[in-house]
Amino acid sequence: EVQLVESGGGLVQPGGSLRLSCAASGFTFSSYSMNWVRQAPGKGLEWVSYISSSSSTIYYADSVKGRFTISRDNAKNSLYLQMNSLRAEDTAVYYCARTILWFGELLSYYFDYWGQGTLVTVSS
Amino acid sequence: QSVLTQPPSVSGAPGQRVTISCTGSSSNIGAGYDVHWYQQLPGTAPKLLIYGNINRPSGVPDRISGSKSGTSASLAITGLQAEDEANYYCQSYDSSLSGWVFGGGTKLTVL
Repeated sequence: EVQLVESGGGLVQPGGSLRLSCAASGFTFSSYSMNWVRQAPGKGLEWVSYISSSSSTIYYADSVKGRFTISRDNAKNSLYLQMNSLRAEDTAVYYCARTILWFGELLSYYFDYWGQGTLVTVSS
Repeated sequence: QSVLTQPPSVSGAPGQRVTISCTGSSSNIGAGYDVHWYQQLPGTAPKLLIYGNINRPSGVPDRISGSKSGTSASLAITGLQAEDEANYYCQSYDSSLSGWVFGGGTKLTVL
């Protein structure tokens, strides 16, 4: 059974840092790209960052570029998100999601399994 | 606001059919990027409902279907059940933003 378990969320002051982790099990982690997606309280979903299976390709949403760093350790079946210079608008539940490459008219990706999420609150 | 536009809410009585639209532009759905749909029950993580415009993962009932035309896509649910009450999100890729985009979400209420 595919399982994704996030951890590391909590309350942090504006300007502070936090490192999220996502522990994967039930599949060959090193074969899959992964993403972080967040959801502000009462709001919709927002894509945050992508990392390929070998870490060779990484993308960020403009809203977090330069402040967040995605990484992974395939030996530990783990995905990470280092969040620096946090702002109030970064307050959200952060989900890690397994990513599937889809060969439609154009190459695209979808997220087939999601973790339960970890809440990050940025407030003084 | 979201790059993909969804109605904030839809509703229907048990047994009825409802549709949820997802409107994009020439840089995402209209460019040829497929649309994927997720269901989010209250207090839970999103769950994949439809991938590649029309395909259902195993376990998703066939009363749920998807379609795509031009710059828009739709999710249809027939034979509405109380358990369908949830938020639904469409997702695609946007070449102008170089990233994955979601609709703002649609709350489905079963009357």
